[in-house]
Amino acid sequence: EIVLTQSPATLSLSPGERATLSCRASQSVSSYLAWYQQKPGQAPRLLIYDASNRATGIPARFSGSGSGTDFTLTISSLEPEDFAVYYCQQRSNWLLTFGPGTKVDIK
Amino acid sequence: EVQLVESGGGLVQPGRSLRLSCAASGFTFDDYAMHWVRQAPGKGLEWVSGISWNSGSIGYADSVKGRFTISRDNAKNSLYLQMNSLRAEDTALYYCAKDFAAMGIFDYWGQGTLVTVSS
Repeated sequence: EIVLTQSPATLSLSPGERATLSCRASQSVSSYLAWYQQKPGQAPRLLIYDASNRATGIPARFSGSGSGTDFTLTISSLEPEDFAVYYCQQRSNWLLTFGPGTKVDIK
Repeated sequence: EVQLVESGGGLVQPGRSLRLSCAASGFTFDDYAMHWVRQAPGKGLEWVSGISWNSGSIGYADSVKGRFTISRDNAKNSLYLQMNSLRAEDTALYYCAKDFAAMGIFDYWGQGTLVTVSS
């Protein structure tokens, strides 16, 4: 099983600041990594797939990068609605796994 | 508009069974793989199981293998999860999720159905 580690666990920032979230895989997942956003009481929402492709309707302030074992989700300028939990997920094999999440909260 | 509506959750005793259903609409159901993903209270996301468009490929998380069975009925636009030998650690909100073209990417999610395993 491929284990995903996310850091930091919590990121405290102010609106307008840049957020940089990290996801590391225990072995290479090539570019088969996605990012999801989840707000309290809501289902997750797909943000990024295959490391750097924005899903339909996702604002340009969200961007993803990386390959192999190290990946980054960047939110260029935080909007009030961006404070949420973010999960990475790999699809390198049919045993899909998620990271434990990074909570982005308001400083 | 894509809609995924889960049902079948509830309170069940350890060792008993439960069957979850997911009714899909707004897309051509038999064109896409589907998945179940769960979230224990206050915890993160865990992929449970996935099934290809024609049921030819099926996968399970190690934590449920041998106890859970995923299936689908394309004529009814429905996805199912038969859960046997339930344990306290299976307590979670169970989401039905549509796959982004059989790629193991979840592009649409239902609102979930809560399963509580307790005596």
